[in-house]
Amino acid sequence: QSALTQPASVSGSPGQSITISCTGTSSDVGGFDYVSWYQQHPGNAPKVIISDVSKRPSGVSNRFSASKSGNTASLTISGLQPEDEADYYCSSYTSSSTPYVFGTGTKVTVL
Amino acid sequence: EVQLVESGGGLVQPGGSLRLSCAASGFTFSSYWMHWVRQAPGKGLVWISRIHIDGSSTNYADSVKGRFTISRDNGKNTVDLQMNSLRAEDTAVYYCARILSGGSRVFDFWGQGTMVTVSS
Repeated sequence: QSALTQPASVSGSPGQSITISCTGTSSDVGGFDYVSWYQQHPGNAPKVIISDVSKRPSGVSNRFSASKSGNTASLTISGLQPEDEADYYCSSYTSSSTPYVFGTGTKVTVL
Repeated sequence: EVQLVESGGGLVQPGGSLRLSCAASGFTFSSYWMHWVRQAPGKGLVWISRIHIDGSSTNYADSVKGRFTISRDNGKNTVDLQMNSLRAEDTAVYYCARILSGGSRVFDFWGQGTMVTVSS
């Protein structure tokens, strides 16, 4: 099971919007509505910010939104803030013997 | 308060063994599949293993199959990862994480991780 493909880095100025893509296959992202997104600050554990493709857990800022089209999921951060600077990972349930796969990770830099 | 606390990490020689443990509290442990996810230094997250709510079923990533064994004790609210025949490429922070049985397939809470270094 190969990792889902994310851009290595994305940057934006405060207040701008950025979008991170997550590309898989019909065996994972395209086959299930079980894509989730995680934010990880340096030295910290990952924290879920999106579940089930586009659902925001309680307490997560509404500046985070997500969607899916075919084999590609996307995370959008609106109104970029300094505290959004972190690594972001997508994850999907899969139909393979490895039931879960993560993306390669995207480093978000706030300029 | 939900807590997942990993322990057991450390420095081990190639070919050696290590047993990681994750202690859970603040939630109904027996309602959650438990998982181990690792992250090599400077690298991304990699799923490596999971165990069913009652321990009846386990799965492993190909990279650890046959070397690692996951187990749980619902009486003690712990999930362990026995790691044998360790290799340099197993060096990573190991996180335990949970997924609610019958719910969304999301890792909704993670421990802080324990570092495993495989080196001579």
